[in-house]
Amino acid sequence: GAVVSQHPSRVICKSGTSVKIECRSLDFQATTMFWYRQFPKKSLMLMATSNEGSKATYEQGVEKDKFLINHASLTLSTLTVTSAHPEDSSFYICSARRRVGNQPQHFGDGTRLSIL
Amino acid sequence: RKEVEQDPGPFNVPEGATVAFNCTYSNSASQSFFWYRQDCRKEPKLLMSVYSSGNEDGRFTAQLNRASQYISLLIRDSKLSDSATYLCVVTSGGSNYKLTFGKGTLLTVNP
Repeated sequence: GAVVSQHPSRVICKSGTSVKIECRSLDFQATTMFWYRQFPKKSLMLMATSNEGSKATYEQGVEKDKFLINHASLTLSTLTVTSAHPEDSSFYICSARRRVGNQPQHFGDGTRLSIL
Repeated sequence: RKEVEQDPGPFNVPEGATVAFNCTYSNSASQSFFWYRQDCRKEPKLLMSVYSSGNEDGRFTAQLNRASQYISLLIRDSKLSDSATYLCVVTSGGSNYKLTFGKGTLLTVNP
């Protein structure tokens, strides 16, 4: 079963709307969560690394004021795409890494965002 | 040079065929290596980790050559359900958990 839940799975909204995506680790504590974006026929690209209780670390070229990340608890991180525009339309995927051990990341099932 | 490069594909093979995927990575400091598969419009799922000694999981065999910074995946007796995009993934920089993905190679297994 899924160990990382992402919601919503699909969003269609008008340009200028802000969209919040949630990522939850269901049966483990995740000190670190990651947010990726994937455009059609392209690689998953890491956008930011989210650490519980501290500010997210953004990758080069990713606007922190555009993509707001909040990691308020060990099981929840949120990504808010502020004032979304058509070029923000993409597949957004979160992943979580367990607090202990060296396991690879567990991925949520993604959010497909379409801005009209 | 891209951090992780894979065969561009796509690969179209008949059921039962053996298919090999190749991947190279540029950062010699990379520590961990994985193959993921991604079905169309879905999240990536871990297929297997890759170790220097090579490892096998049923029909799947993965190899790592650190000296040449090369990773491979071999699928034997391919099934229709193996159709997916195969992603080569390495940990980037000095971090042991920050993943860098290749662009992926699309495999279609035909009946």
